[in-house]
Amino acid sequence: GAVVSQHPSRVICKSGTSVKIECRSLDFQATTMFWYRQFPKKSLMLMATSNEGSKATYEQGVEKDKFLINHASLTLSTLTVTSAHPEDSSFYICSARVPGDQPQHFGDGTRLSIL
Amino acid sequence: AQSVTQLDSHVSVSEGTPVLLRCNYSSSYSPSLFWYVQHPNKGLQLLLKYTSAATLVKGINGFEAEFKKSETSFHLTKPSAHMSDAAEYFCDEGSQGNLIFGKGTKLSVKP
Repeated sequence: GAVVSQHPSRVICKSGTSVKIECRSLDFQATTMFWYRQFPKKSLMLMATSNEGSKATYEQGVEKDKFLINHASLTLSTLTVTSAHPEDSSFYICSARVPGDQPQHFGDGTRLSIL
Repeated sequence: AQSVTQLDSHVSVSEGTPVLLRCNYSSSYSPSLFWYVQHPNKGLQLLLKYTSAATLVKGINGFEAEFKKSETSFHLTKPSAHMSDAAEYFCDEGSQGNLIFGKGTKLSVKP
């Protein structure tokens, strides 16, 4: 079945650094991918919709300059957390949907910890 | 326009009792409906899906959901809750390929 691979699964880095998270659809083409953030004990929050070949659509309250999304190919979307600070520490999850009446396929998530 | 509403943000049941997690949809099209589960500190997993075949859909872990067009509902049920069912559950409508995702229902199971 369709698989979404998310990498890395865990990142620990210093405040001020930028962190890139990759989301790959392994056996299907994903024109649209979704990026979520999840705070501890909270529900998933949609951050943005990543569209292949065009600009991402950000949800209200999500800083586009802080969370850079690039969807350069039909199988890869990246989320870069720029100049990360401790408040950016969170669990980030991507998903993609196979075209047609198909479910979302989720990556395993990336736990980001900023020291 | 499509939308999905999960009516309860939190449901608490005792182990061995039935589970009902509610989801209502709004769609101008024949909907494609999905339920996902997310266990603590884990990714999301597809539980079951409805795509205009049988109205009663059986999923993994003993869960099932019934599509009721007259009520525009796709509620998730399980006859007997287990402690391992404690998780967050998300309802999703995907007929148009974009993201119509409920806000989630957290299921707590008491011993």
